[in-house]
Amino acid sequence: EAGVAQSPRYKIIEKRQSVAFWCNPISGHATLYWYQQILGQGPKLLIQFQNNGVVDDSQLPKDRFSAERLKGVDSTLKIQPAKLEDSAVYLCASSNLPGPSYNEQFFGPGTRLTVL
Amino acid sequence: KQEVTQIPAALSVPEGENLVLNCSFTDSAIYNLQWFRQDPGKGLTSLLLIQSSQREQTSGRLNASLDKSSGRSTLYIAASQPGDSATYLCAASNQAGTALIFGKGTTLSVSS
Repeated sequence: EAGVAQSPRYKIIEKRQSVAFWCNPISGHATLYWYQQILGQGPKLLIQFQNNGVVDDSQLPKDRFSAERLKGVDSTLKIQPAKLEDSAVYLCASSNLPGPSYNEQFFGPGTRLTVL
Repeated sequence: KQEVTQIPAALSVPEGENLVLNCSFTDSAIYNLQWFRQDPGKGLTSLLLIQSSQREQTSGRLNASLDKSSGRSTLYIAASQPGDSATYLCAASNQAGTALIFGKGTTLSVSS
């Protein structure tokens, strides 16, 4: 079974530029999460999708961050314009609905963003 | 609001030692608790998942326990090896299908 795929793996941009990250979850997983992990911290949820609908975006800085999950599969997270404090690893995770897999979350390799 | 704390922040042990990593959470009404491993520059690898109705889970040299009443979980690593060196994160979810709330992790270094 293929895991969660993310691209790009690394991105370096200057402040005020825009950037986009892509995530392809495990096939059949209905729930998709985007987390932000700042160096030395645990990941923090940015947004959660159930199929193609938003479940929780309470911690998403909506003035600069946006995300979509078209057709309930792939997802894109965008930052526009980027700030220095957005330097972090952006992790995508997916899980199945509660059931035999007990809602276990599986993570992709992450995208490391550096804002100069 | 759920908060997750991991102590210690860093731990160094010689190869072969048995060790325990600690995780505490403030809200005992959790749905499940998950332990992850993170290697430098990598994503998170799921190690063990404990449902709220369970007391422990085992996988190879790893054993995770859950005590909801005291708000604690432990990850026991037997016969540690240099390849176990990584950051270990615990995370709790309060309801089915909700996001995980993470601790800051414990960075483990096992010397040969």
